[in-house]
Amino acid sequence: GESVGLHLPTLSVQEGDNSIINCAYSNSASDYFIWYKQESGKGPQFIIDIRSNMDKRQGQRVTVLLNKTVKHLSLQIAATQPGDSAVYFCAEIYYGQNFVFGPGTRLSVLP
Amino acid sequence: DAGITQSPRYKITETGRQVTLMCHQTWSHSYMFWYRQDLGHGLRLIYYSAAADITDKGEVPDGYVVSRSKTENFPLTLESATRSQTSVYFCASSESDTQYFGPGTRLTVL
Repeated sequence: GESVGLHLPTLSVQEGDNSIINCAYSNSASDYFIWYKQESGKGPQFIIDIRSNMDKRQGQRVTVLLNKTVKHLSLQIAATQPGDSAVYFCAEIYYGQNFVFGPGTRLSVLP
Repeated sequence: DAGITQSPRYKITETGRQVTLMCHQTWSHSYMFWYRQDLGHGLRLIYYSAAADITDKGEVPDGYVVSRSKTENFPLTLESATRSQTSVYFCASSESDTQYFGPGTRLTVL
């Protein structure tokens, strides 16, 4: 399949451990944030979102934390599984449809 | 429910040829987008459309043409393909805040 980033930062975790993926955003006007997961050969897939009036949001095995003071976003994956191996990237959205995507982090789950 | 589809999934063409990448969505979303994804650059917006017959340039529009005569279709045309247009192309659609992506088209220009 398509290779989305051979030179991306890589996070390697043991199966069953928790993963934390970080993202810095740039625009103070961004009011909505999304984490996407992209598996090899596939398009980005929506994981979880958070609005700027929140600092934490939980989904199934995933939690997103937002720190507006330092413009930082993180994605926490609990009990990481082999199927979680993918590239993860954040998107900041401002003024409705203005999307800015981060470069991504490759998550590698070790058996 | 097919969602958003792209065709072809893989395409090899030669420099100077015209190529059209197709995108179709079944949700009747107002917004549609074309991105290219290259090593070291992440997703870069080529063109987007807010509704049928309304299109606008993104970050890297040179060498590309789009049209949107119907809400569900948003074809991207490379009028005269160049090697620098070798990339993976993603189409996306959105009704509100979240963009939903197609599976991508890998285009190689020789």
